[in-house]
Amino acid sequence: DTGVSQDPRHKITKRGQNVTFRCDPISEHNRLYWYRQTLGQGPEFLTYFQNEAQLEKSRLLSDRFSAERPKGSFSTLEIQRTEQGDSAMYLCASRGGRAAITDSNYGYTFGSGTRLTVV
Amino acid sequence: AQKITQTQPGMFVQEKEAVTLDCTYDTSDPSYGLFWYKQPSSGEMIFLIYQGSYDQQNATEGRYSLNFQKARKSANLVISASQLGDSAMYFCAMRDVRMDSSYKLIFGSGTRLLVRP
Repeated sequence: DTGVSQDPRHKITKRGQNVTFRCDPISEHNRLYWYRQTLGQGPEFLTYFQNEAQLEKSRLLSDRFSAERPKGSFSTLEIQRTEQGDSAMYLCASRGGRAAITDSNYGYTFGSGTRLTVV
Repeated sequence: AQKITQTQPGMFVQEKEAVTLDCTYDTSDPSYGLFWYKQPSSGEMIFLIYQGSYDQQNATEGRYSLNFQKARKSANLVISASQLGDSAMYFCAMRDVRMDSSYKLIFGSGTRLLVRP
């Protein structure tokens, strides 16, 4: 397994355009998280999937944001009508069982992120 | 509400010396987990070390150790024998383990470490 993959790595878009990011988690991981990281800050939680069900959403996830995880495998994060304030790194992470304490990284594997720039 | 505070925006350390990165946390839950991650300029979050709230001993992983002081609610990362490749952002994080939670991570604002040759 090659870890968590995110695509694209970089995206530049004009204000008002829609963008979609993809995350492919580790295949045996049924839990998937999206985070947003603005420059100079730590990642902030956006949303959480367990299998195909979206079980938690942050208030940061405005109505312009939507996330899906069809069939409980890959996930997509779409931002509609992008604004300059959406410029950030969008990180995806996956993990396996409930505690996964025995995993070498205690369960969470992060992708390399998608860096979005809205001009 | 759970919160992580990292008060050092930036730190310098001389190569081969040790450095301590500070982290304090706030939670009312008796059960929690604390993590440290390294984020190089390439962007990926690299897991370094984990400390459970009930662990009796401080966690260690190679050159990384965690100075866990539960009463003070601090979980400082100590990097021994710094290397040039240690230059990166470092984030302290707490796992949200409340009932029916997503077990999401709550991150601090990070510390940028620069190792001088």
